[in-house]
Amino acid sequence: KQEVTQIPAALSVPEGENLVLNCSFTDSAIYNLQWFRQDPGKGLTSLLLIQSSQREQTSGRLNASLDKSSGRSTLYIAASQPGDSATYLCAVSGTNAGKSTFGDGTTLTVKP
Amino acid sequence: GAGVSQSPSNKVTEKGKDVELRCDPISGHTALYWYRQSLGQGLEFLIYFQGNSAPDKSGLPSDRFSAERTGGSVSTLTIQRTQQEDSAVYLCASTPAGSDEQFFGPGTRLTVL
Repeated sequence: KQEVTQIPAALSVPEGENLVLNCSFTDSAIYNLQWFRQDPGKGLTSLLLIQSSQREQTSGRLNASLDKSSGRSTLYIAASQPGDSATYLCAVSGTNAGKSTFGDGTTLTVKP
Repeated sequence: GAGVSQSPSNKVTEKGKDVELRCDPISGHTALYWYRQSLGQGLEFLIYFQGNSAPDKSGLPSDRFSAERTGGSVSTLTIQRTQQEDSAVYLCASTPAGSDEQFFGPGTRLTVL
């Protein structure tokens, strides 16, 4: 059974700092990995999707990497802003690309 | 364009009643997912529809839960004889053909008294 762990559970940083969020998974036979953000009381917003054959994806100030062999992904946020404050979730899909297993998320607070 | 929509946004019901939750995916999206997010817990997969294939129901927690997707578009999640532990936010997501990127709706917050 796939298990996804995100560390740390919460993170507080001053504005402008670069930061890394971690996601680990127990079964390396994944189809893809997706990073989301969730604002309080809202649904999830897709940030980056990495296919199993890819090593990283970039969008603006965000960069996500994937190391299947070690069962790890990182989300790098450059020059953090207060608007980045949210809960960040990673999700992995198995070989059938259907069912996704989510981590519990990292709640990020960026202080002005 | 319009995103995934869900209705109602909030539902309060009494224990033992049946409820129906609706999801309208993005037009043209072929795959549809239902998840549940309980207070203080992560997202829990419930069911997955892909085109005309048989749905993956492996995440449904009990036979009180069922879902259907009519005409390859709108989906309804039905919970029969609701229990207090069913209280959660129910999230729907859809995916376009040829992509695995999931687009989520705002969710339905279900409270069972």
